[in-house]
Amino acid sequence: DVKVTQSSRYLVKRTGEKVFLECVQDMDHENMFWYRQDPGLGLRLIYFSYDVKMKEKGDIPEGYSVSREKKERFSLILESASTNQTSMYLCASSSDREGGEQYFGPGTRLTVT
Amino acid sequence: AQSVTQPDIHITVSEGASLELRCNYSYGATPYLFWYVQSPGQGLQLLLKYFSGDTLVQGIKGFEAEFKRSQSSFNLRKPSVHWSDAAEYFCAVEVPPPGGYNKLIFGAGTRLAVHP
Repeated sequence: DVKVTQSSRYLVKRTGEKVFLECVQDMDHENMFWYRQDPGLGLRLIYFSYDVKMKEKGDIPEGYSVSREKKERFSLILESASTNQTSMYLCASSSDREGGEQYFGPGTRLTVT
Repeated sequence: AQSVTQPDIHITVSEGASLELRCNYSYGATPYLFWYVQSPGQGLQLLLKYFSGDTLVQGIKGFEAEFKRSQSSFNLRKPSVHWSDAAEYFCAVEVPPPGGYNKLIFGAGTRLAVHP
């Protein structure tokens, strides 16, 4: 089975801190994604990557950056956390460029105080 | 702009009753269409997807969905709901932006509660 793991299930950070969210997949997938999930808004794409060292902005990239140094690992970085970044963050991976199933991690619930 | 609408935020059904979750999309052509389910404390899992061909698609856990081009809809159905179906359900479309990469656009989700 495909497994996507995220480094933390719950995280509490202070305003202004630099925050790293890590995601690892074990199925050699080319594509990896970061979403944030908010009630009433569904999932919104922050960044995605179709190859190592490659990144593309999603729909809401402001305040975030990403890093993909190895194929299996995709990191989301909040350079200076703010309270409006309190949310559930979901990582996903897929093997197909189009029409493919995305496999999701369990999520990290981040609270910024 | 492309969008996905799930009109029902919350739905409650009795165990054994039938279920239909609504999904409408806005897109010029026929997109790839998906339904995902998120159980409490879990990530999302794919229930089914539609690309082309037969407009009635079967998925896992006894779910099916019907694509209706004239209504721009992709409603999810199950004939008899089980208590374990209580979860949040997301409809999604995949669209290819010009010169870019395909990406998923999700609806806001429908939370399903099941009464014993």
